[in-house]
Amino acid sequence: QQPVQSPQAVILREGEDAVINCSSSKALYSVHWYRQKHGEAPVFLMILLKGGEQKGHDKISASFNEKKQQSSLYLTASQLSYSGTYFCGTEMRNTGFQKLVFGTGTRLLVSP
Amino acid sequence: DGGITQSPKYLFRKEGQNVTLSCEQNLNHDAMYWYRQDPGQGLRLIYYSQIVNDFQKGDIAEGYSVSREKKESFPLTVTSAQKNPTAFYLCASSTHTLSNYGYTFGSGTRLTVV
Repeated sequence: QQPVQSPQAVILREGEDAVINCSSSKALYSVHWYRQKHGEAPVFLMILLKGGEQKGHDKISASFNEKKQQSSLYLTASQLSYSGTYFCGTEMRNTGFQKLVFGTGTRLLVSP
Repeated sequence: DGGITQSPKYLFRKEGQNVTLSCEQNLNHDAMYWYRQDPGQGLRLIYYSQIVNDFQKGDIAEGYSVSREKKESFPLTVTSAQKNPTAFYLCASSTHTLSNYGYTFGSGTRLTVV
């Protein structure tokens, strides 16, 4: 049930692009993306809803392919501040209350 | 400012001891959650609560207990029955439908068994 993230780790130079994928074997209602700095709380980035549009702000965007049950996070022109671990959280809404199931994370390091 | 406060930041537990981790939010969120984070395993759900005086087990509830007597508070007790409690514990809250704002996380408590 836990979504699979790939790659497990990425090393970039400042200004390069990266794509992080999140795949589920279950039908998804929404996908959330979070970034966590070492020793800190995860911070909400964006949510992709079933039937919704691709989201993004600044140079970070994401898409949600409902047929493949897969979401991708796109980081363009990476900055040093993008370093951290990225988690996807998946919601499988059928009925009633739902909660997120998180992937194992993708560690991103941006170097000067 | 609204947010979630977890305390303490670091906690040391002796073998056979129960310890309680505090989680308080002033966001007026209905739902609260406890996750455990181990290296390389992401976040795993321990317990969650949709409303005051009600809570449900998550995927790894054994050895843990919770209470939800107030909307603002959702403390987690790590009992002596939890055989491997050393981990980073994160508390989160959300509106009931998750809406467009996802979870708000606390800054976490790092628990170490000594």
